[in-house]
Formats: sequence, C-alpha cells, structure tokens
Amino acid sequence: EVQLVETGGGLVQPGRSLKLSCVASGFTFSSYWMYWIRQAPGKGLEWVSSINTDGGSTYYPDSVKGRFTISRDNAENTVYLQMNSLRSEDTATYYCAKDRAGSGFAYWGQGTLVTVSS
Amino acid sequence: DTVLTQSPALAVSPGERVTISCRASESVSTGMHWYQQKPGQQPKLLIYGASNLESGVPARFSGSGSGTDFTLTIDPVEADDTATYFCQQSWNDPTFGGGTKLELK
Repeated sequence: EVQLVETGGGLVQPGRSLKLSCVASGFTFSSYWMYWIRQAPGKGLEWVSSINTDGGSTYYPDSVKGRFTISRDNAENTVYLQMNSLRSEDTATYYCAKDRAGSGFAYWGQGTLVTVSS
Repeated sequence: DTVLTQSPALAVSPGERVTISCRASESVSTGMHWYQQKPGQQPKLLIYGASNLESGVPARFSGSGSGTDFTLTIDPVEADDTATYFCQQSWNDPTFGGGTKLELK
C-alpha cells in the first residue's frame, strides 16, 4: 500500500524559513517523480514543485521560484520542501503527491498545515 | 500557464445526472484528470487521461473530452457525492481548476 506522510508544518513568521518532509512507502521511491501541491484555506489546489527520479531536475511555478527548493533522498525514501522568505500568501496545507507517468496524482499524503503569520 | 476554468457550484437532487465542466485556455490533448475532495480530506483521483476510471471508483463517474473542453459526469448522483470536484491538466506544468462545489438538494 502506498503511503505518503508529511511532517514539518507549523506557525512561522513572515520572512522566516521552514522545511517540510514527506516519507514514502509501499512503492519503489527512486523510480518516481514526486510533487508538492498546496491548498490555501477554503481555496483551490496549486502545484508547488516537482522533482525527477534522481533529483537532478526540479520545477516550480513563478509564485515560489527562487524561494522554495525541492530535494529528495532516495536512500531514505523522503522528499523535502525547503521554504524560505515565507509570506502570508504561503499559508496553506501542503500535500506530497505521487503520479503515474502523467496519469494524474493517484496518491496524496494527509497534508501538513503551514501558517505564516506574525 | 494553462488556465482551467470550472463553474463554481452546482445543486442537484439525488438520482439525477450531473455534468461538471472544465475548459482549458489551450489544448491539453487528453492530459486531463478529475479529483473529488471532501472537507478535511486530501483529493481523490476519479478520472485520469480524460476518460479512464480510476480503480475502485464507482462506475457512476465518467469523463469525456479532449483538447480544451472536458466533462465529468455523475449518473446517478448519490448523497455521498457532496464534495468539491477539481480538474487538473498534465500537458504542461500541472495546473488545477478552481473547483466546482456540488451540493445535493
């Protein structure tokens, strides 16, 4: 059974940093791209970042480019999201997700809430 | 970015047929997927590749479309289908529609 478990969320002041982790199990982690997707309270879903299988290629939307960094440790079956220079608009539940080669995000974690506020 | 537009809300009676639409700002071929999200839960994949039913999803759900216009159909609607439905394209960097909140009368 595929499981994705996110940790690391919490309350953080604007301008500070936070690092999220997602531990994966139930599949061959090193064979799959991994993703972070967020959802602001009461709002829709926004893709935040993608990473390829060996971590050599990463992708971001303009809203987080230059502030967020995705990385992975295939030995630990873990994907990370380093978030710097946080803003109030980054307040959201952050989900770790896995797709099936362009066939949609079939697996999601339970999410971890990040609140950016002074 | 490929913008996906959904109608914000629909209200139907149990047993009826409902169609939820999603229009893309440019062609995404059949790279369109549909999710159901209930309050406090993570999204659940229903349809992938525009028309393929995800394993374990009831056959009451179906998807159609290609290019820029896509539809999710639920027939018949049941009380448990009360949720928000999102479309998502994978032709380019992933983007999601704003969601359609389905309420039952």
